[in-house]
Amino acid sequence: GAGVSQTPSNKVTEKGKYVELRCDPISGHTALYWYRQSLGQGPEFLIYFQGTGAADDSGLPNDRFFAVRPEGSVSTLKIQRTERGDSAVYLCASSSGPANEQFFGPGTRLTVL
Amino acid sequence: DQQVKQNSPSLSVQEGRISILNCDYTNSMFDYFLWYKKYPAEGPTFLISISSIKDKNEDGRFTVFLNKSAKHLSLHIVPSQPGDSAVYFCAAIGTGTASKLTFGTGTRLQVTL
Repeated sequence: GAGVSQTPSNKVTEKGKYVELRCDPISGHTALYWYRQSLGQGPEFLIYFQGTGAADDSGLPNDRFFAVRPEGSVSTLKIQRTERGDSAVYLCASSSGPANEQFFGPGTRLTVL
Repeated sequence: DQQVKQNSPSLSVQEGRISILNCDYTNSMFDYFLWYKKYPAEGPTFLISISSIKDKNEDGRFTVFLNKSAKHLSLHIVPSQPGDSAVYFCAAIGTGTASKLTFGTGTRLQVTL
């Protein structure tokens, strides 16, 4: 498929565990975004990559959250010492440039028990 | 603080009638506005946008109106169709924020037969 893909689609973990969420952007898209959507809320910005570097990480809630994009394509969002409040749908989006339309993936639903 | 607000969590409209979804914002630095549509288990998809230098943008059945002085925008869908039933998010981009989207909480539209 040509769209943004995210794996896994669902992740259930226990409080205190470490999780990794993966995003495969549309091929050739240089800009990549992570958002988090909690129940009853709209998506909330976490971090934006332009190429391999994080151009804006102002939305990361604390230092338990970290994201990488080492080769400028696939990105991984990493959450350490998960808490129940981290339960949400994590959305990834990519675009061909920072001013262009963002295409979203289907999200990863994270549940922390 | 919620910088983009959608005060109606849900809306029900008959097929063929007009649907009007509303959005208010508080941040004067927002200069570009978008509407996204979201189906269950899918990521948001872009619908229509408007720059702050315009007051109206039309695309087929969808029209977005912007009232900058009131910091208010609305999405009109006419005629409404059952396939329009989804959650609609209003989003905004601020000057110099590299397409970082700030979303509202969404309005669930149901188009009935």
